[in-house]
Amino acid sequence: AQSVTQLDSQVPVFEEAPVELRCNYSSSVSVYLFWYVQYPNQGLQLLLKYLSGSTLVESINGFEAEFNKSQTSFHLRKPSVHISDTAEYFCAVRYSGAGSYQLTFGKGTKLSVIP
Amino acid sequence: DAGVTQSPTHLIKTRGQHVTLRCSPISGHKSVSWYQQVLGQGPQFIFQYYEKEERGRGNFPDRFSARQFPNYSSELNVNALLLGDSALYLCASSWTRQETQYFGPGTRLLVL
Repeated sequence: AQSVTQLDSQVPVFEEAPVELRCNYSSSVSVYLFWYVQYPNQGLQLLLKYLSGSTLVESINGFEAEFNKSQTSFHLRKPSVHISDTAEYFCAVRYSGAGSYQLTFGKGTKLSVIP
Repeated sequence: DAGVTQSPTHLIKTRGQHVTLRCSPISGHKSVSWYQQVLGQGPQFIFQYYEKEERGRGNFPDRFSARQFPNYSSELNVNALLLGDSALYLCASSWTRQETQYFGPGTRLLVL
C-alpha cells in the first residue's frame, strides 16, 4: 500500500534558526512529490514539487526539498525561519501507475516558530 | 485568475441528514478531486473526476457520491451523515488528471 510518513508531528524552532521537516514514502518505481502548507483555518497551498530533473527543488519563500530515491525521502528545509512560517506542512506523493493520480498525504508536521 | 472556490465555507448538520458541497475549479482546469481532512490528520482522497467522468475513488462508503458538470464544477454529496463525517472537505483542481493539484479553502462540516 502507498504510504507517506512524516516523522515529526510537531517541530518548535526559534526564529532565524534552521529547520528540517522529514518525509519518507513507501518505495515505488516512479513518484512525484509535493509539499503543501496549511495555515490555520485555511486550505492547502502548494509550496514546492518534484516531478523530474534536478533532485533539489526550491520555493519562492526560501524553502527547499531534496528528492533522495535511495532513501525514499523528500525532506523540507529552510536555513532561517520566520514567524510567518508557522503553519502545518504536509508531504504528499503521487505514484505513477494506471489510474493512480490521487495524492497520498502524510499526517502533517506542525511548525511553530518561537520569537 | 481566481483560484479554486468552494461553498459553503462552514456547515452544521445533524446525524442522518444529507449534505451537498460545491467546488468551482480554476478556469481551464478539467479535473477535480475531493479530499476529506479529519482534525489532526492529512487529507484522504475521496474522488477524482475528469471530463465529467469518475476516474478514481478512495476507500469511502457508498454514502459518498459526486459529479462533475459540463462547466467542470463539481458537487460532493454525502447521505446519512455520521458524526465521523465531521471534517474539512477539500476540493482540488488540475489541468488534467496528471497535473499538479491546486486546493480550495475547503468546507468545514460539523455533524451533531
